[in-house]
Amino acid sequence: QVQLQESGPGLVKPSETLSLTCTVSYDSINSYHLSWLRQPPGKGLEWIGYMSYSGSTNYNPSLKSRVTVSVDTSKNHFSLRLTSVTAADSAVYYCARHSGTYLFDHWGQGTLVTVSS
Amino acid sequence: DIQMTQSPSTLSASVGDRVTITCRASQSISSWLAWYQQKPGKAPNLLIYEASNLESGVTSRFSGSGSGTEFGLTISSLQPNDSATYYCQQYKSFPTFGQGTRLEIK
Repeated sequence: QVQLQESGPGLVKPSETLSLTCTVSYDSINSYHLSWLRQPPGKGLEWIGYMSYSGSTNYNPSLKSRVTVSVDTSKNHFSLRLTSVTAADSAVYYCARHSGTYLFDHWGQGTLVTVSS
Repeated sequence: DIQMTQSPSTLSASVGDRVTITCRASQSISSWLAWYQQKPGKAPNLLIYEASNLESGVTSRFSGSGSGTEFGLTISSLQPNDSATYYCQQYKSFPTFGQGTRLEIK
């Protein structure tokens, strides 16, 4: 059974750092990559970046200067850090599994993050 | 970035109808296109990959077509639970999504 679960604070202050964790559970875990995506309320989907279990990364150029994705293989945790947040970063944040291509076959349920003072 | 444009933005149809949603890429993406269904409060669900391949477990009422820059998602024999927002996504380069098509079942 494939499971992905996002967790983290639902409220972040402007200019601070958003930090989320995705805990994953599935077979052949090191055969897959893990991407972060987000969706502002009522809007479309935006890919943020990915990390493989071996540590390879790639980021959306529009967010690259503020994003870091990391993995703790001992805990099957993937983490997202987004620095210097503004209200425009308020969104539902998803983690999603994919293989060699960016084809997202399983998603977490999503977690809403609001940026507000 | 490769821009993805969907049409229409909203669509209203009746149970039993057949509808097609169109997606256009700003440059050729070969067949590196996927379609997702998203219901309110839920994560997207993969329906179609490589433009026309049905994801395992997805009903054959969904079908995909196209290559290059023009693609379509057709839903036949509409059911009430097809009410959702549908997104196309290219994965030739770093992934980008269409703006979504909201399908309402009358």
